[in-house]
Amino acid sequence: DAEITQSPRHKITETGRQVTLACHQTWNHNNMFWYRQDLGHGLRLIHYSYGVHDTNKGEVSDGYSVSRSNTEDLPLTLESAASSQTSVYFCASRIGSNTEAFFGQGTRLTVV
Amino acid sequence: QKEVEQNSGPLSVPEGAIASLNCTYSDRGSQSFFWYRQYSGKSPELIMFIYSNGDKEDGRFTAQLNKASQYVSLLIRDSQPSDSATYLCAVHNAGGTSYGKLTFGQGTILTVHP
Repeated sequence: DAEITQSPRHKITETGRQVTLACHQTWNHNNMFWYRQDLGHGLRLIHYSYGVHDTNKGEVSDGYSVSRSNTEDLPLTLESAASSQTSVYFCASRIGSNTEAFFGQGTRLTVV
Repeated sequence: QKEVEQNSGPLSVPEGAIASLNCTYSDRGSQSFFWYRQYSGKSPELIMFIYSNGDKEDGRFTAQLNKASQYVSLLIRDSQPSDSATYLCAVHNAGGTSYGKLTFGQGTILTVHP
């Protein structure tokens, strides 16, 4: 079955380290998204992509970067992890605009 | 002003009652609207979507959209304890530099008590 997977599911890292969270989907979806979820804030958009080599900033993009070298993957990199980036991160994808987005299982990141 | 705002919770209703969840959005160019349900520790999953003004029904769920008032709601009839979850409103932005964005509200926690 086609799916969207995130890895790792849990990660603890130290302040200042570079961290990359992986997102892989097998639906051949064009649109991919990264969100972070914190208590009281719902899902806040970090970055999104419409297709290969396309990336766009969301509302909370500072300190994060993404690259889209193929359709299946959108890795999220924290350049220098900060304690404020402790959160649950969700990746999502959809075939195109105006369609349902499907979510990965989430990655719980703790920065100590 | 937040792009998507939901009524602050938590919302508590008795089993069998109607639960009403509300959402307002700021971008008049928004085209489509989604309601997701998220159980604790799980990923969001789609309940239903709506594109046109009016009501859309799916089983016990009814989504209502009023584009003039920039308002979308979700009604859950005959609420069950299994409906206890966080409900997230999402808006697809269609205009200008926001094209293609899928923006979520902060979520409303619903508790259905027996």
